[in-house]
Amino acid sequence: DADVTQTPRNRITKTGKRIMLECSQTKGHDRMYWYRQDPGLGLRLIYYSFDVKDINKGEISDGYSVSRQAQAKFSLSLESAIPNQTALYFCATSAGAEQYFGPGTRLTVT
Amino acid sequence: SQQGEEDPQALSIQEGENATMNCSYKTSINNLQWYRQNSGRGLVHLILIRSNEREKHSGRLRVTLDTSKKSSSLLITASRAADTASYFCATDAVENRDDKIIFGKGTRLHILP
Repeated sequence: DADVTQTPRNRITKTGKRIMLECSQTKGHDRMYWYRQDPGLGLRLIYYSFDVKDINKGEISDGYSVSRQAQAKFSLSLESAIPNQTALYFCATSAGAEQYFGPGTRLTVT
Repeated sequence: SQQGEEDPQALSIQEGENATMNCSYKTSINNLQWYRQNSGRGLVHLILIRSNEREKHSGRLRVTLDTSKKSSSLLITASRAADTASYFCATDAVENRDDKIIFGKGTRLHILP
């Protein structure tokens, strides 16, 4: 089984809808991250968490919120989705410098 | 803010040839990493080089780091079709809090049969 899993893998939603993307890991890492990737661009950091009580904004947190329900679970929410949030979203974990990525969630907002 | 910038943006070479891609960055770093991304999938860590290291090898990969020029290169020798992917450098800048890493935009590598 994969060490970092994301659900759903694909999602199409309408403008204004609330949506949650979920991430689970079995690596036992304390650090978890959410990134978004747009075509032809690198990854940009949305939020990161170093433990259950530690949540930090990344480069592009506006329009997003997160919840760290447990060491193994880190969820990303779009409170009111807009079309420019259409992107590929990745969760990652780390214990040190190296990050381990989930397979990604492809989100389309129409 | 973009820290690393890969060059070239895209590269096509024949199978068996060597592929070289470069990464330039702006501020002092603790370390630099290279990741591979197969189409639409999650990134996979390839190699990490620390600021006090100049060269590192892993299998067919060779990474160099020149901190005076603020640049790194990734060499893939004897390329294979399976090397077709996007390659990203990621830097851990000294000025960053919390050891966050910042990714470049990537080099798309295509290995021709």
